[in-house]
Amino acid sequence: EVQVVEAGGGLVHPGGSLRLSCSGSGFTFSGHWLNWVRQAPGKGLEWLGSINQYGSERHYIESVKGRFTISKDDAENSLSLQMDSLRVEDTGVYYCARGGLPFAFDIWGQGTMVTVSS
Amino acid sequence: EIVLTQSPGTLSLSLGERATLSCRAGQTVSSNQLAWYQQRPGQAPRLLIYGASIRATGIPDRFSGSGSGTDFTLTISRLEPEDVAVYYCQRSGTSFGQGTKVEI
Repeated sequence: EVQVVEAGGGLVHPGGSLRLSCSGSGFTFSGHWLNWVRQAPGKGLEWLGSINQYGSERHYIESVKGRFTISKDDAENSLSLQMDSLRVEDTGVYYCARGGLPFAFDIWGQGTMVTVSS
Repeated sequence: EIVLTQSPGTLSLSLGERATLSCRAGQTVSSNQLAWYQQRPGQAPRLLIYGASIRATGIPDRFSGSGSGTDFTLTISRLEPEDVAVYYCQRSGTSFGQGTKVEI
């Protein structure tokens, strides 16, 4: 079965760091763009950033540039999101999603909750 | 940045009725770069439509997408109970609209 599973969420203080991971099965990460999407409590979806299949190209939304870093390990079929200088407004469910179709995310994980609070 | 505006915010209909959801872009979006997702309560999003009108694998044919340029539409021909969800459009594999909630 093709799937992705996120892990690493939790409670962190403002200014702190957290590293999320996404492990995939049933497909190879080296063949697809991969993305992180966030959903604040009771709010809509927000695309955070992506990494290409080669790991050579990354894109981020402005609000996380310089604070969040996307990386991947093709050998482990894993994707990571390193989050530094966390803010209260970074609170939400973080989803990993495969860009398996042109400009569309065909496989989503169940999400992992990140709470930034003092 | 191209902003996507979805309307209405909430759509209240009866079972078997037709639902028409709108997604308007601030600038022209290439049709092959417009996707629609369904998010049922408590679940992760699911891809419904990509390329503005192509149904994803396993999506019932009561879901259809149309449109071009700046105006795109998701239509659910006959509402079923499992269609209660929030629906999002997305452009170019990046930003999402704010969502339309469909309730019965």
